[in-house]
Parts: sequence; C-alpha cells; structure tokens
Amino acid sequence: NAGVMQNPRHLVRRRGQEARLRCSPMKGHSHVYWYRQLPEEGLKFMVYLQKENIIDESGMPKERFSAEFPKEGPSILRIQQVVRGDSAAYFCASSPQEKRGTQYFGPGTRLLVL
Amino acid sequence: GQQLNQSPQSMFIQEGEDVSMNCTSSSIFNTWLWYKQDPGEGPVLLIALYKAGELTSNGRLTAQFGITRKDSFLNISASIPSDVGIYFCAGKDSGGGADGLTFGKGTHLIIQP
Repeated sequence: NAGVMQNPRHLVRRRGQEARLRCSPMKGHSHVYWYRQLPEEGLKFMVYLQKENIIDESGMPKERFSAEFPKEGPSILRIQQVVRGDSAAYFCASSPQEKRGTQYFGPGTRLLVL
Repeated sequence: GQQLNQSPQSMFIQEGEDVSMNCTSSSIFNTWLWYKQDPGEGPVLLIALYKAGELTSNGRLTAQFGITRKDSFLNISASIPSDVGIYFCAGKDSGGGADGLTFGKGTHLIIQP
C-alpha cells in the first residue's frame, strides 16, 4: 500500500527558471495539501486541493506560485521565475475524506535555486 | 494568525530515559497530531488526537489532547537510539480557518551514548 509519492526528490534550478513539483496522494485519498519547510523551521501550509478544485490557498504566495490537482494524474506545484528565497523543502500530504485533519506526508522535494 | 509554541527546543538525554515534550497554542484546535521527521525525509505520523482529554498510546509513545483544546503533550518511554530525530506537533483549526495544519518549530531529540 504505497504512501504519498513525490518527485523529484531533489531539484536544482537557476534563478528565473520554472520548477514543477509532483505529488501522488495515497490510494483512496482525495485531499492534497502542499507545505514548505525552511531549514530549522516547522512546515508552513501553502494550499489545499481536491480533484480539479483549489479549496484553500491562503498560504500560497500571490505571485509566481500555482497549484493544480487534475482529474487524472498527480498534483502539481509550479513555481515560475524562481528566486533564491524559494530554496526549501516542499512537502505534499494527503488525507482521507472522513478524517481530513489526519494528513500523511510524502518524502518531499528539496529545491535549490542557484 | 495561529501560533504553536513547542518546547523544549532540544533535548539531550541518555538512552533508556523517558522524554516529555509539549505544545501550546493561542487558539483552539479540534485535532492534534504528532510527527517525527528524520533528516532528508518527510514527517511521519506518530499519533493523532481528535477529542479534548483524549489519551492515546502507540507503543512507547503516549500523547494527550488537553482539556482546554489549546495544548498537547507527547511522552516517549525508555528511549532508544532510533528515537533520535525532530518531533513536531501540529494542530488543525476548529473553526473556519485554513484547512492546513499549523506546525510547531520542533523538538530536537538527541540521545547521548
């Protein structure tokens, strides 16, 4: 029973490039959440999605960041025109419908912007 | 916004000792969760708490959801080397707030030989 899957695990980009991070939720989970973690910090909520819908993006930066969870395929977190401050670990979590507060995390994508 | 204060920030203990850490919040949560994160990995769910006053165990781990719904603690009994890592508390808002979890800054557990 596979857990939450994320890829790539590590991503290096130069300033101005685009970063695409992918997340496949646990089987049977229809809720996906994205978080960002800076070194020595806890995780910060970014966005919550269900299939084809963004439910809550209150933690998402207003510019350059976008997220989607299409009907088919993984959820994508997209960062356009990356800057050095975007360097962080990005984690995806999923939860079942009946217990949305219980979130299971993937291994994360470490983004390094040069 | 919501804040979670997690303490202690770090703990240096001997193998076999018991460990206790806690979290307090400035607002009420309806779910408390405890996670462990190893270097280079994602947080792993240890214990989930859903009701005020609830006390739940998972092996050597025990966690409680405070009666006021503003705090939680995690205890680890008879620590072993593989308990080393960073422990995070997280809470889920009880009202119409964000759907994401609010995390503490973590407790670094270091076991001295």
